[in-house]
Formats: sequence, C-alpha cells, structure tokens
Amino acid sequence: GEDVEQSLFLSVREGDSSVINCTYTDSSSTYLYWYKQEPGAGLQLLTYIFSNMDMKQDQRLTVLLNKKDKHLSLRIADTQTGDSAIYFCAESIIQGAQKLVFGQGTRLTINP
Amino acid sequence: DTEVTQTPKHLVMGMTNKKSLKCEQHMGHRAMYWYKQKAKKPPELMFVYSYEKLSINESVPSRFSPECPNSSLLNLHLHALQPEDSALYLCASSQSDGNEQFFGPGTRLTVL
Repeated sequence: GEDVEQSLFLSVREGDSSVINCTYTDSSSTYLYWYKQEPGAGLQLLTYIFSNMDMKQDQRLTVLLNKKDKHLSLRIADTQTGDSAIYFCAESIIQGAQKLVFGQGTRLTINP
Repeated sequence: DTEVTQTPKHLVMGMTNKKSLKCEQHMGHRAMYWYKQKAKKPPELMFVYSYEKLSINESVPSRFSPECPNSSLLNLHLHALQPEDSALYLCASSQSDGNEQFFGPGTRLTVL
C-alpha cells in the first residue's frame, strides 16, 4: 500500500543544519517531493528528486535518496528563523493520473 | 503569472447553504487538483482533472461537486455540507499529469 512516514517534530538551533527524514513504501514512485507549509498558508514546493537520482542540491537544500531503503531526507544548511514551518515529503503514484501521497509532516522549530 | 489563486480566502456556511470555491491558474497547466486538509494533518487528494476531464475521484461524497469549465479554472461546488467538512481546501496545478504540483493558498471553510 501507499504509506509515507516522517517524524513529527524537529528542533534545531539557528545556524545549525536541519535534517528531516522520510520513508515511503511504493517502489514505483517516480518523483519524491518536499513541500513547506507556513501557518495558515498553502504548500510551497521546495524541491523534488527523480527516483533514479541519489542526491540533489539546490542552494541551502540537499535531498538524499536511498532507493533501496526507500528513505528520503532533506537537509537545510544554516537554518534560519524563516525556515520555521511544517515540511511534508510526498511520493508520486500513478493510478490513472498522478497522486501525491503525503507524510504527516515534520514541524521544524528554530531556537535562537 | 506563476501562481495559483483561490477565492474566497475564508468561507463560513450553514449546512443548508450552497457555495462554490474557485481556483485559477494562468501557467498553461493542464492538470488541476483539489485537496482537503484538516488541522495538523497532511493534505488528502479529492479530485484530479487532466485536460479538463475528471480522472480521479477519491470516493468523495456527492455533496462536493467539482467542475472544470476550462483549462485555467477549477471550481468546487458545495451543498449540504456537514460540520466535519470544515477544513482548508487546497487547489493545485501541474504542467501535465505527472509533473510537480503547485499549490494555491487555500480556502479555509467553516461549516456551522
């Protein structure tokens, strides 16, 4: 079945790196996504990785994919107060059309 | 224009009311989506339109009725809703089915 799991909370100090982890179950997923949601707002697409890649870097964001273990991580370098939000990973499943299956979301809190 | 817009931002309705949510994008995307998000939960897919045709209905109750009048517009007609339908309703679009999805800010719906 389709299941995406994330830890619910992460707290880091300002300036440190944040690493948010995610596991998924559908090995046929072609793309895996990271979205950011601030309070009262919609979802902002941060980055995505194609399933045949191991790593993708985009400025402060690094995505690592271990396809064998179905494990995805998002590293945010030099975490700032503006990074406080809920981060969702999502796997893409094709069932007639593309479906995104989201994890429960990780609430990232930044300590000064 | 690189965004998805949704109106209204907030909506309060009684259980006997009929209302509609509207979503618009002018990015030339041919796939559009409705999601429902309850508090502290991830978004859940409701409907997918691909090239203006309904391609996924995730067993959504008939009191929710989607409509895609053209490739830029997506509506969600609401009738005889229940208090448990109160949630953030998110619209998303993608270039075509299978590409990354871009979300609007959502409509926060309260059913009294």
